[in-house]
Amino acid sequence: QQPVQSPQAVILREGEDAVINCSSSKALYSVHWYRQKHGEAPVFLMILLKGGEQKGHDKISASFNEKKQQSSLYLTASQLSYSGTYFCGTVNMEYGNKLVFGAGTILRVKS
Amino acid sequence: DGGITQSPKYLFRKEGQNVTLSCEQNLNHDAMYWYRQDPGQGLRLIYYSQIVNDFQKGDIAEGYSVSREKKESFPLTVTSAQKNPTAFYLCASSKGSSGAGGAYEQYFGPGTRLTVT
Repeated sequence: QQPVQSPQAVILREGEDAVINCSSSKALYSVHWYRQKHGEAPVFLMILLKGGEQKGHDKISASFNEKKQQSSLYLTASQLSYSGTYFCGTVNMEYGNKLVFGAGTILRVKS
Repeated sequence: DGGITQSPKYLFRKEGQNVTLSCEQNLNHDAMYWYRQDPGQGLRLIYYSQIVNDFQKGDIAEGYSVSREKKESFPLTVTSAQKNPTAFYLCASSKGSSGAGGAYEQYFGPGTRLTVT
């Protein structure tokens, strides 16, 4: 039931773009995205809901393909502060009311 | 400022001892959660509570216990029955539960790093 994230890790230079993917084998109610810096708590980035509603930060963009049970997080013009581990979490229709997190994607932005 | 506090930040215990991790929130959130994070891994749900005096097991509840006597507080006890308790423990809360179609974001506390030797 754990969603699968790809890539596992990515290294960028400042100003470059990246896409992080999240895929589930189950039909989904929603997809959540969080970023965690080393040793710190995860911070909420975005929620994408079945039916098209989104909630989150203006500077973050993401997509949710309900049919394919996939979501992608788009990081454009990356900054050093974007570095961290990105987690997607999914709420699926079989598993009920629990948020299940993927293993994470490590993003490192270099100057 | 509203938020979630966890204490202590670092905790050291001897094997065989029970230990209780504190989690308090002043966000007036209904739902609270405990996650465990091991190095290089995602967050795994231990227990969650949607309302006071009610809680449900998550994916890895064995060896853990919780209580929810107040809306603001959701302490986690790591018992001696937990085979490998050394980990980073995160508490979170949300306005509603994921049962509402997963429509509510979770806010996390700073975490407690537990080391058992």
